[in-house]
Amino acid sequence: NAGVTQTPKFQVLKTGQSMTLQCAQDMNHNSMYWYRQDPGMGLRLIYYSASEGTTDKGEVPNGYNVSRLNKREFSLRLESAAPSQTSVYFCASSEGRTGGGKLFFGSGTQLSVL
Amino acid sequence: SQQGEEDPQALSIQEGENATMNCSYKTSINNLQWYRQNSGRGLVHLILIRSNEREKHSGRLRVTLDTSKKSSSLLITASRAADTASYFCATDGAGGGADGLTFGKGTHLIIQP
Repeated sequence: NAGVTQTPKFQVLKTGQSMTLQCAQDMNHNSMYWYRQDPGMGLRLIYYSASEGTTDKGEVPNGYNVSRLNKREFSLRLESAAPSQTSVYFCASSEGRTGGGKLFFGSGTQLSVL
Repeated sequence: SQQGEEDPQALSIQEGENATMNCSYKTSINNLQWYRQNSGRGLVHLILIRSNEREKHSGRLRVTLDTSKKSSSLLITASRAADTASYFCATDGAGGGADGLTFGKGTHLIIQP
């Protein structure tokens, strides 16, 4: 039981490049989330998917797109990376309403945009 | 915007002492949760307290919730070096958890051996 798996763990991009962060969970959770964590800012929600087939914007969605590929997988895409997107990205999943919103996190992707 | 705000931002105590962290929030909640993050790792859920509960225990952890003051505290008793980490409070959204949690900025706890 791996929980939430994120790839890659580290990535360096040049401004304007694109990339996709992958996330998969094996807990049969309905809801999945992408957060970013910046020093002194805590975690901020980028996008979430309450259930398979739906996605919604969070607090800081600009510059990002997401795809809920199936119940297990939720990817985050940066179409044209900017230095302001340098951050640590966390994927999380939960049972949603029935689980009280308890989140299970991946180990994170450290992204640097030069 | 941040819903929860932890206090203090940083705390350094001796091993064996108790550590108390506080969290204040702004709007009504269904539940409040505490998470721990070790350096370079993802967050790990510690404890959840519902809005109709006032106190909850889990091992060496004690959480209190005062909805009238919109505040919560996390007490770690008999601290250990392994408790060194950042601690975050998080509150649920209007969707009852399906639309994610809102996190505070965290308290960085250092346990001195």
